[in-house]
Amino acid sequence: SQTIHQWPATLVQPVGSPLSLECTVEGTSNPNLYWYRQAAGRGLQLLFYSVGIGQISSEVPQNLSASRPQDRQFILSSKKLLLSDSGFYLCACLGDTEAFFGQGTRLTVV
Amino acid sequence: RKEVEQDPGPFNVPEGATVAFNCTYSNSASQSFFWYRQDCRKEPKLLMSVYSSGNEDGRFTAQLNRASQYISLLIRDSKLSDSATYLCVVRGMDSSYKLIFGSGTRLLVRP
Repeated sequence: SQTIHQWPATLVQPVGSPLSLECTVEGTSNPNLYWYRQAAGRGLQLLFYSVGIGQISSEVPQNLSASRPQDRQFILSSKKLLLSDSGFYLCACLGDTEAFFGQGTRLTVV
Repeated sequence: RKEVEQDPGPFNVPEGATVAFNCTYSNSASQSFFWYRQDCRKEPKLLMSVYSSGNEDGRFTAQLNRASQYISLLIRDSKLSDSATYLCVVRGMDSSYKLIFGSGTRLLVRP
């Protein structure tokens, strides 16, 4: 089955600083990949998804961008973080019957 | 209207109680349905898929009503370890196979 590696686990960044979160997948090829964000006490909001290399779809216009430079690599970025970017970021991969998640990155923008 | 709606709770129940969660979805073309469990500050994990005929896994029973666009999860004989947030998830059938999550229902099982 798929394994998702996501790092870092926690991150504290100042407002206006850049961001790069990386996610890599093992155990599958050409996966559908997703970035979700979860604000404190809230549900998961789909940010971006990708069905292949270089193919990115954005669900919510915002301060973030995503890239998929390799088949099993998905990167979430920002040029300048806002306070509202704080949250729990989760990378997910869609398997045959379910979605598998990385362990998440807890981002605090200060 | 949200694509997937759940009662946020919290549901505060004693051990041994039976508790039911409900979920409604707005897109009638949705094809796949799931319940995920999320523990505090952890990633969501699949609890069970929901099939049209309904399905049971131990103390957990999931049901789907396509006509009403409604999904339910029943937990019997609640355990302390069942305390978590339960997320209703719907998957579309376009090429993205996007998973749309409800905001979750929080369950607290007390001794």
